[in-house]
Amino acid sequence: DAGVIQSPRHEVTEMGQEVTLRCKPISGHNSLFWYRQTMMRGLELLIYFNNNVPIDDSGMPEDRFSAKMPNASFSTLKIQPSEPRDSAVYFCASSHSVYEQYFGPGTRLTVT
Amino acid sequence: GESVGLHLPTLSVQEGDNSIINCAYSNSASDYFIWYKQESGKGPQFIIDIRSNMDKRQGQRVTVLLNKTVKHLSLQIAATQPGDSAVYFCAEKPGSGGSNYKLTFGKGTLLTVNP
Repeated sequence: DAGVIQSPRHEVTEMGQEVTLRCKPISGHNSLFWYRQTMMRGLELLIYFNNNVPIDDSGMPEDRFSAKMPNASFSTLKIQPSEPRDSAVYFCASSHSVYEQYFGPGTRLTVT
Repeated sequence: GESVGLHLPTLSVQEGDNSIINCAYSNSASDYFIWYKQESGKGPQFIIDIRSNMDKRQGQRVTVLLNKTVKHLSLQIAATQPGDSAVYFCAEKPGSGGSNYKLTFGKGTLLTVNP
């Protein structure tokens, strides 16, 4: 089992640019989560999808952030325009129940 | 100016000793708890979980204890090895209601194992 796959692993971009992070959940999992991790705030839930439908996006910081899940095997998190304060590690996690979540390796985003 | 980051609790142990990592949770309605291990540069990795109808659960070299009276969770690692060095997070989840998918993570504890 490949686990949750994220790409890219590292992204460095300039302020104002668009950034797209990608996630492939574990096959058969029907729940997908996007998290952000910073030293200041720890792990924060950004958005939760169930059966490809966004259920809870209350953690999305502002309109510059958007997420999609066009099918069961792919999701994107987009930031447009990016700002330096968006620098963080972004994790995708998937689950087949309301219990344990399996995390991907993360994307380290640096916005200069 | 310089940003102030989280000051993680730290635990330093000698290889071969037992480690105990503690976590206080806030929601008395939480009915499911998980411990995750996060190594540097990696995502959180599931270690062990426990439901609120239990007070102890054992895995391979790890034991989780749950005290619902004082809302306290602990992770015990037996015969700690250098590979156990990581940040350990506890997470809790409500048992019912519209947010029963939502894990709330603690701030984490940094475990360092000295050879």
